[in-house]
Amino acid sequence: DTGVSQNPRHKITKRGQNVTFRCDPISEHNRLYWYRQTLGQGPEFLTYFQNEAQLEKSRLLSDRFSAERPKGSFSTLEIQRTEQGDSAMYLCASSLEFGSSGRRDTQYFGPGTRLTVL
Amino acid sequence: AQSVAQPEDQVNVAEGNPLTVKCTYSVSGNPYLFWYVQYPNRGLQFLLKYITGDNLVKGSYGFEAEFNKSQTSFHLKKPSALVSDSALYFCAAASNTGKLIFGQGTTLQVKP
Repeated sequence: DTGVSQNPRHKITKRGQNVTFRCDPISEHNRLYWYRQTLGQGPEFLTYFQNEAQLEKSRLLSDRFSAERPKGSFSTLEIQRTEQGDSAMYLCASSLEFGSSGRRDTQYFGPGTRLTVL
Repeated sequence: AQSVAQPEDQVNVAEGNPLTVKCTYSVSGNPYLFWYVQYPNRGLQFLLKYITGDNLVKGSYGFEAEFNKSQTSFHLKKPSALVSDSALYFCAAASNTGKLIFGQGTTLQVKP
């Protein structure tokens, strides 16, 4: 496994700007998850995809947030009209299908994208 | 609502001593439980998980965790702590759709 990769690693933006993050999962993984982590807290679920289908979205994911996973490979998370409260680490994770035995349902995380909104 | 609690913000232990990082959970159905470790400015690294079977689960770097259904706990343990074990540890439970619900994290400080 080459691991989950995320780009960029850091993003500084001004309030009101749009930002887009990319996640490349482990190649054979069909599930892809996005989480947000603020300082001193555990990660919070945002949304997940199985292949190209977005199957669940958290109420944390306001209308300003949108995620895609075209062709079931990489995923993008876009935040429109950023606010200072959006400053956080955005984590991506991937796994094989949930509910299987062994290692198949373990989520493996990327290094994260740290967003700072000024 | 499903939840995971880590009652200690920080655990301090001397190198060579055993360590325990506590976790309790509240989930419906059979729990899928995980431990992850996070080093500064890094993503989460998988340590171990409980799905079913033996209550004592062995994982990476000499860590193990004990599942206790009656106490709804999944404490992380290591017989002999290393300074390099100092990091932020997260307990998580998987919902029935697979998303992870995390505790607030426990900082482990191992002193030489």
